[in-house]
Amino acid sequence: KAGVTQTPRYLIKTRGQQVTLSCSPISGHRSVSWYQQTPGQGLQFLFEYFSETQRNKGNFPGRFSGRQFSNSRSEMNVSTLELGDSALYLCASSLARAAQETQYFGPGTRLLVL
Amino acid sequence: GNSVTQMEGPVTLSEEAFLTINCTYTATGYPSLFWYVQYPGEGLQLLLKATKADDKGSNKGFEATYRKETTSFHLEKGSVQVSDSAVYFCALSWTTGNQFYFGTGTSLTVIP
Repeated sequence: KAGVTQTPRYLIKTRGQQVTLSCSPISGHRSVSWYQQTPGQGLQFLFEYFSETQRNKGNFPGRFSGRQFSNSRSEMNVSTLELGDSALYLCASSLARAAQETQYFGPGTRLLVL
Repeated sequence: GNSVTQMEGPVTLSEEAFLTINCTYTATGYPSLFWYVQYPGEGLQLLLKATKADDKGSNKGFEATYRKETTSFHLEKGSVQVSDSAVYFCALSWTTGNQFYFGTGTSLTVIP
């Protein structure tokens, strides 16, 4: 079974631009979560989607948004980019929404904001 | 609230040494506990997990036991290899919501 895939793998943008990242979960997985990883803040939860609905949201400004499609693929969008948005963005999928479910992570998209 | 406290790194060990990475958590009730590993330039891979008290997760020679009385989930390996060099993350998942709370990560370097 193919793992979680994320595109693009690397991205360079300038301040004020917007960016869209894509995530394809493992086949059959319906929950997709997004995380931001930075050296200073570590891994921080952005949001989770299940059945095309945002179910849970972390403490990030409204510039960070996402959506999920009927095939469970998900996108996240960051508008009006700031230098501090430079990070590795990780997507994870799981079969269901339960505490014991394992989240499977993609390789990430590395975003650099100049 | 829920949180995970992980041993500060970096950790440097010689090959075949014993490894312990401490992890303690704060959560009400009974979270599920996980260890993930991140190799350079890659995403996180599940190493092992435990979903209830006294469960022992194990994989590739690594072990961790869910200790409710000490709210801990320490990672151990009897004999590390150079290929174990990576960053290790302890995490908890609490009820529904699929929100993982991660520790800060511990960087391990194993030297021949």
